[in-house]
Amino acid sequence: GIQVEQSPPDLILQEGANSTLRCNFSDSVNNLQWFHQNPWGQLINLFYIPSGTKQNGRLSATTVATERYSLLYISSSQTTDSGVYFCAVEYSGSRLTFGEGTQLTVNP
Amino acid sequence: DAGITQSPRHKVTETGTPVTLRCHQTENHRYMYWYRQDPGHGLRLIHYSYGVKDTDKGEVSDGYSVSRSKTEDFLLTLESATSSQTSVYFCAISGTANTEAFFGQGTRLTVV
Repeated sequence: GIQVEQSPPDLILQEGANSTLRCNFSDSVNNLQWFHQNPWGQLINLFYIPSGTKQNGRLSATTVATERYSLLYISSSQTTDSGVYFCAVEYSGSRLTFGEGTQLTVNP
Repeated sequence: DAGITQSPRHKVTETGTPVTLRCHQTENHRYMYWYRQDPGHGLRLIHYSYGVKDTDKGEVSDGYSVSRSKTEDFLLTLESATSSQTSVYFCAISGTANTEAFFGQGTRLTVV
């Protein structure tokens, strides 16, 4: 099956800092999503981005499908950005496969 | 927010007892999924459904069964719960394959 690797596994920031999270995948994909799991365990959709670039406020994401990676950018981080960020991909004949996530902690 | 309701939200049960978790959606989406989340493993697919009475196995299906008699409901059953099935279970929905999926709030199951 497809392999999904996220880096870094852990990230600690001061409030106001910027960060980049990376997702590498081992095969061509038809679907790629970024999720934020908040400290209460809820999975929040951030981006549906099988290719290209999208922005939503302080967050943006870029997927380069031909090179099999996606990046999630967080600018001017806030304490409410803390949690786990998951990348999940779907390719022909499969369902969403998740990476193991990046644990982000934003300190005040 | 996508209209997905999981019930119960928390459950403690004893080893060997049957357990059924329910996922209810109001979006009329064709696809429904059950995932489990364990520390160090992210989310892993248990079973999914691509229509009423149409289901298939996922990555970690052993010990689980599912049923979908109506578009809006997808049930996950543990026939005889074991401690290894202690986990957080998430239901998800999507309109078609390869489109955006949305997740429910999760069910925390503890098997003692």
